[in-house]
Amino acid sequence: NAGVTQTPKFQVLKTGQSMTLQCAQDMNHEYMSWYRQDPGMGLRLIHYSVGAGITDQGEVPNGYNVSRSTTEDFPLRLLSAAPSQTSVYFCASTLTGTSVHEQYFGPGTRLTVT
Amino acid sequence: KNQVEQSPQSLIILEGKNCTLQCNYTVSPFSNLRWYKQDTGRGPVSLTIMTFSENTKSNGRYTATLDADTKQSSLHITASQLSDSASYICVVSKRTNAGKSTFGDGTTLTVKP
Repeated sequence: NAGVTQTPKFQVLKTGQSMTLQCAQDMNHEYMSWYRQDPGMGLRLIHYSVGAGITDQGEVPNGYNVSRSTTEDFPLRLLSAAPSQTSVYFCASTLTGTSVHEQYFGPGTRLTVT
Repeated sequence: KNQVEQSPQSLIILEGKNCTLQCNYTVSPFSNLRWYKQDTGRGPVSLTIMTFSENTKSNGRYTATLDADTKQSSLHITASQLSDSASYICVVSKRTNAGKSTFGDGTTLTVKP
């Protein structure tokens, strides 16, 4: 299994540009989520999905859109990039349905908005 | 508001020494508490997961404890190695929302030779 994969690894955008961060998992997990991590800070939840066709907002959703058409893929779209969105973005998938919720993270996408 | 507070914010120890990291939480109703290790430039990797009924869990040189009554957890690292240098993150999940976890800001550990 590849686990959770993210592309691209690095990206530089200009203010106002749009782009999509890709995330895929091959573990058949229902729950997937996107986080951003700013320097010296903890991970903050942007959006999450409890299954295909279902998404919801997290702690910091403004400026981001998500969709979940398949169990495997959970792309994150930046509609109009702003310097405040410079961050490292992590995608995670979670094994639910048990008493513990093992969460698996991707390697991250480092985004710089100039 | 559900919170997870970690201390210290950063820690420097010499190789071979032991250390203990702390995590206090107010998340309720409690489901589970997880400790992650995050190397610089990488995604977090799970070290231990503990549910309400567990008060100790080990993973090699890492031992996590949980006191659900006082809502405190600790991560003890024994005989530290240079490769232990990383950020250690405490994460708590609510019973009512399986995957919507609350993350601490992490403790940055530096192990020096």
